[in-house]
Amino acid sequence: ETGVTQSPTHLIKTRGQQVTLRCSSQSGHNTVSWYQQALGQGPQFIFQYYREEENGRGNFPPRFSGLQFPNYSSELNVNALELDDSALYLCASRGGGEAFFGQGTRLTVV
Amino acid sequence: AQTVTQSQPEMSVQEAETVTLSCTYDTSENNYYLFWYKQPPSRQMILVIRQEAYKQQNATENRFSVNFQKAAKSFSLKISDSQLGDTAMYFCAFMGGTYKYIFGTGTRLKVLA
Repeated sequence: ETGVTQSPTHLIKTRGQQVTLRCSSQSGHNTVSWYQQALGQGPQFIFQYYREEENGRGNFPPRFSGLQFPNYSSELNVNALELDDSALYLCASRGGGEAFFGQGTRLTVV
Repeated sequence: AQTVTQSQPEMSVQEAETVTLSCTYDTSENNYYLFWYKQPPSRQMILVIRQEAYKQQNATENRFSVNFQKAAKSFSLKISDSQLGDTAMYFCAFMGGTYKYIFGTGTRLKVLA
């Protein structure tokens, strides 16, 4: 167990809908990042938050957005879902060294 | 831009034997970290081993060790005395000054009884 919790574990949405994924960071970790892992691929960096401010973003469109709260938990929001958004979404929290990952949310867009 | 390449999509090894997974990377940074993560079917990314680029000594964690060749930008993982529980996807990852991970495409390792 890494102390990083994601919810929900599985989700099915319809194309065009919006989705919110949640992540509770490990205690004391002030940095959270989100990754998208398509089937058979390595995780791709979406964005990172440090003390409630976005401080890095990967090659993802603006319909992918996020928030980090004062308790360092985080949300990933995806608007106007597309079929290609179907993937495992991983949250990782970091307090200084390496990141600790949650178990992921499997999103299926139909 | 940094890249991480894992050229072995799948590998298999007999239980109790040794296997080496390959990883190469490209970066212009001098200070960075390299990692190997294991992802079993449960999906949880589990840290196997980490290497700081400024350390010349290769990292070791029990049955897991790395061969870090900084000049060649190579970072291979050796698993000794392979166990059935080692069956998983293994990802090589780079972390530089931006603190984001760059992952390779993974190697699926199967340990055979």
